[in-house]
Amino acid sequence: GENVEQHPSTLSVQEGDSAVIKCTYSDSASNYFPWYKQELGKRPQLIIDIRSNVGEKKDQRIAVTLNKTAKHFSLHITETQPEDSAVYFCAAISAGGTSYGKLTFGQGTILTVHP
Amino acid sequence: DTGVSQNPRHKITKRGQNVTFRCDPISEHNRLYWYRQTLGQGPEFLTYFQNEAQLEKSRLLSDRFSAERPKGSFSTLEIQRTEQGDSAMYLCASSTDLTVTDTQYFGPGTRLTVL
Repeated sequence: GENVEQHPSTLSVQEGDSAVIKCTYSDSASNYFPWYKQELGKRPQLIIDIRSNVGEKKDQRIAVTLNKTAKHFSLHITETQPEDSAVYFCAAISAGGTSYGKLTFGQGTILTVHP
Repeated sequence: DTGVSQNPRHKITKRGQNVTFRCDPISEHNRLYWYRQTLGQGPEFLTYFQNEAQLEKSRLLSDRFSAERPKGSFSTLEIQRTEQGDSAMYLCASSTDLTVTDTQYFGPGTRLTVL
């Protein structure tokens, strides 16, 4: 089955700096890669996603890049703000085999933005 | 609130007791997923429903776990003879079924503590 590795596990930045979180996946059939933000005690919320026919997607201060050959994708947050502090999870869905529609998550990155 | 809802939000039980959680998906979402999240980890897939049919179960779902979605709307997850290792956050998610990669929207979760 799919395996998703996420790095770093913790990331501390100053307000206004950029933050980058990287994930790798194992199943070459995976074709959808969402990123979720989870604040303490709250539900995971989708912040951006990318599909395998696209190399990069941007939404205001957030961008995601995908390298299918290398099987890795990254989240980029620019001009970070204290309210960006949360746990971020990458995930992958495989369109084939027994993983149909099942999200496989990375281990999470605790992002702390210092004012 | 028209999002995914879960009840109860917290459950404390003694080892050996049975517990049941409920998930109400977003109206008209045909797909419903259950995930389990332990502290410091990403959510792990447990099981998935397409309408009332349970289409996939993870190996994490032992014989003590059972899930139902009798009318294709709300779902219940029952754990029999709870063990301390069952302590976790149980998350429900729902999505439309237009494609295999439809966005999954998560509920707030039920936090289970087994004493």
